[in-house]
Amino acid sequence: DAKTTQPNSMESNEEEPVHLPCNHSTISGTDYIHWYRQLPSQGPEYVIHGLTSNVNNRMASLAIAEDRKSSTLILHRATLRDAAVYYCILRVIGGGTSYGKLTFGQGTILTVHP
Amino acid sequence: DGGITQSPKYLFRKEGQNVTLSCEQNLNHDAMYWYRQDPGQGLRLIYYSQIVNDFQKGDIAEGYSVSREKKESFPLTVTSAQKNPTAFYLCASSISAGREQFFGPGTRLTVL
Repeated sequence: DAKTTQPNSMESNEEEPVHLPCNHSTISGTDYIHWYRQLPSQGPEYVIHGLTSNVNNRMASLAIAEDRKSSTLILHRATLRDAAVYYCILRVIGGGTSYGKLTFGQGTILTVHP
Repeated sequence: DGGITQSPKYLFRKEGQNVTLSCEQNLNHDAMYWYRQDPGQGLRLIYYSQIVNDFQKGDIAEGYSVSREKKESFPLTVTSAQKNPTAFYLCASSISAGREQFFGPGTRLTVL
């Protein structure tokens, strides 16, 4: 399975933008890039996903490099509720028993300061 | 409200006992998943099911068993063969395999 590399931790101030990087140099052409986040003692929450083009939704934006070897999750205005562990995950697509599997790494711990 | 429920939130068992963790969803999702999380670590996939009456082993299936007799239910049994069962267990579902996953609140299992 292709792997992702994320910084262990990042810090931000409230109401400032946050850019969370992810490297995935061994990504294959059929892997989607997914982001999830997990608040303490809760289950992860889906944030956003994309394949090649940049994506926006109500929670965040996803910027994908042209060669797809890296991506950045952008929180436009961080709030205290955004403090969580953010996971960048490559999801296998296509048929077979591996379809849909998510492989979680250790993620990035985001701290948001008031 | 639609969602995924896991019960109980906290569970204590004696070493050597089998224990079954409940996972129910009313989202009409075809696919369901079980993950394990140890302190400070990411999630690891135990078992997953793309459709009712079918399931596959994940990355750490040894010492665990599942069944998928109903679409809305995917119980996980932690057997006495699992050497380090104390962990946070998370269940998830998705409308179909490959789509975004929705997670339950988790069950924290402690084996004494």
